Amino acid sequence: EAQVTQNPRYLITVTGKKLTVTCSQNMNHEYMSWYRQDPGLGLRQIYYSMNVEVTDKGDVPEGYKVSRKEKRNFPLILESPSPNQTSLYFCASSRGLAGVKETQYFGPGTRLLVL
Amino acid sequence: GESVGLHLPTLSVQEGDNSIINCAYSNSASDYFIWYKQESGKGPQFIIDIRSNMDKRQGQRVTVLLNKTVKHLSLQIAATQPGDSAVYFCAETVPGGSYIPTFGRGTSLIVHP
Repeated sequence: EAQVTQNPRYLITVTGKKLTVTCSQNMNHEYMSWYRQDPGLGLRQIYYSMNVEVTDKGDVPEGYKVSRKEKRNFPLILESPSPNQTSLYFCASSRGLAGVKETQYFGPGTRLLVL
Repeated sequence: GESVGLHLPTLSVQEGDNSIINCAYSNSASDYFIWYKQESGKGPQFIIDIRSNMDKRQGQRVTVLLNKTVKHLSLQIAATQPGDSAVYFCAETVPGGSYIPTFGRGTSLIVHP
């Protein structure tokens, strides 16, 4: 089954404790991205990647890092989480270098609470 | 209309009615638009897309209309079913090198049986 998976689905952590949210897709998609979703603000893009070893900032990259060492995986790293990073995070992927000119497939989401 | 604070605009309909959800987009240069459906506890799911060289596109029970003059997009759902209850939002992208889409805040559709 074609899908985007994220882990963990739920995470409670404390300020400053490094964490990684994994994202994996099995569709051989070249384009992957991370979003956060906050009430009243809609989806905002954090980082995106057009291919292996190619990443770029989205609208709200501060406090986040990403890596794209393999085509299928695109982990999101919070080196020193803060309470304002409490949010619902989505990973997405789409095929081809057209990126968002084609539909994106979203993962199920990771709900993060930073105390 | 636009939501205030944390509350999304809400559309309540009866099962079997047609639903129309609206979206005002921000950039007149946007050339690709997508409607997504997001059910509670799940990620957004693609419904239908439209490019700026079109003004209408139809899917199985959905139709998207694009009015570039007033920068307005609408999603029409025919014979709405309880399973259509979700938050619907549009996304726009501009041509060129930016791959960053802009998402609307969404409209909550509630379908009463």
